[in-house]
Amino acid sequence: QSALTQPPSVSGSPGQSVTISCTGTSSDVGRYNRVSWYQQPPGTAPKLMIYEVNNRPSGVPDRFSGSKSGNTASLTISGLQAEDEADYYCNSYTSSTTWVFGGGTKLTVL
Amino acid sequence: QVQLQESGPGLVKPSETLSLTCAVSHYSISSGYYWGWIRQPPGKGPEWIGSIYHSGSTYYNPSLKSRVTMSVDTSKNQLSLKLSSVTAADTAVYYCVRHVLANDDFDIWGQGTMVTVSS
Repeated sequence: QSALTQPPSVSGSPGQSVTISCTGTSSDVGRYNRVSWYQQPPGTAPKLMIYEVNNRPSGVPDRFSGSKSGNTASLTISGLQAEDEADYYCNSYTSSTTWVFGGGTKLTVL
Repeated sequence: QVQLQESGPGLVKPSETLSLTCAVSHYSISSGYYWGWIRQPPGKGPEWIGSIYHSGSTYYNPSLKSRVTMSVDTSKNQLSLKLSSVTAADTAVYYCVRHVLANDDFDIWGQGTMVTVSS
């Protein structure tokens, strides 16, 4: 199984919106609405931010939203805040009954 | 609030077996959910290792399956991971997670434990 493809880095100024893409294949992202997103500030464990493409767990701000088109899922963060600076990882269920992560995207808040 | 705490040796010699334990607090693993292990090499993305149900049903990453053994001890409310024949490529932070199969997500993570493979 190959890792999902994410851009290495994105950046934005406070108040702006940024979008992080996550590209898979027709055997994972494209086949199932089972994409989740995780936020990982430096030195901490990942935290679930989005599940099933566009659902937020309790406590996650509605500034975070998810979507999917074809083999690519996206995480959008609107009203960017300094505390959003972190690494972000996507994950998808696959047709092999496995779960695969992306390589990660470092978000810098300018 | 459910809490997960990993424990085990921080240093393992090449060719030996890595053994980790995860203690689950404030939730009985017999009550449901799968429980799993995810590792993250320094500077890289996470990698799913495998998941286990309290009945013993397992899912393993095919790339690691031949070297991985996962188990649960319901009396101690903990799960264990064994990874045999380790090499430097197995150096990583190892996380214990709660795996929600209904959503295909990992909703609770332990703090992680760093394991270095070196002689």
